[in-house]
Amino acid sequence: DVKVTQSSRYLVKRTGEKVFLECVQDMDHENMFWYRQDPGLGLRLIYFSYDVKMKEKGDIPEGYSVSREKKERFSLILESASTNQTSMYLCASTVSSGNYGYTFGSGTRLTVV
Amino acid sequence: EDQVTQSPEALRLQEGESSSLNCSYTVSGLRGLFWYRQDPGKGPEFLFTLYSAGEEKEKERLKATLTKKESFLHITAPKPEDSATYLCAVQARRGNMLTFGGGTRLMVKP
Repeated sequence: DVKVTQSSRYLVKRTGEKVFLECVQDMDHENMFWYRQDPGLGLRLIYFSYDVKMKEKGDIPEGYSVSREKKERFSLILESASTNQTSMYLCASTVSSGNYGYTFGSGTRLTVV
Repeated sequence: EDQVTQSPEALRLQEGESSSLNCSYTVSGLRGLFWYRQDPGKGPEFLFTLYSAGEEKEKERLKATLTKKESFLHITAPKPEDSATYLCAVQARRGNMLTFGGGTRLMVKP
């Protein structure tokens, strides 16, 4: 089975901290994505990457950056965490054609206090 | 702009009471429509992909259908373990991004 592993299930960080969320997939997928999920707002795309060192902004990139130095790893960085970034963060990956849907990780529930 | 609307937002069923979830969409050239199941505190789990109007797919008590404007997820004789949020997403011919609907939270009472 394809696995997408997110490093933490729960995180609590302080306002202003720099936060790193890590995601690793084990099926050699080219495409990787970061979403946040909030009640009433659904899944919103933050950033995505089609290949190593490539990144594209999604719908809500403000306050975030990403890094993809290796094909299997896609990191989401909150440069200076704020309380409105409290959310469930989901990483996903898919093959380049995208025809088989995304495989999601289990999510990271981030609370910024 | 691609849009996906799911209804109802929440649905309560008794065990064995069949029903349908709706996913209405607008997309500039549909490449695929996806259904996912999401349990509380977990990531979405892939269920089906539908590619063209008239296509149907089944898995256990679930059956997904597709028209040019909407998709239905039919649940036949549901069990409590079918309780989850069901997400619908569309993929346009350009790019690999999925646009998700808000989901339907299904609760099946024994």
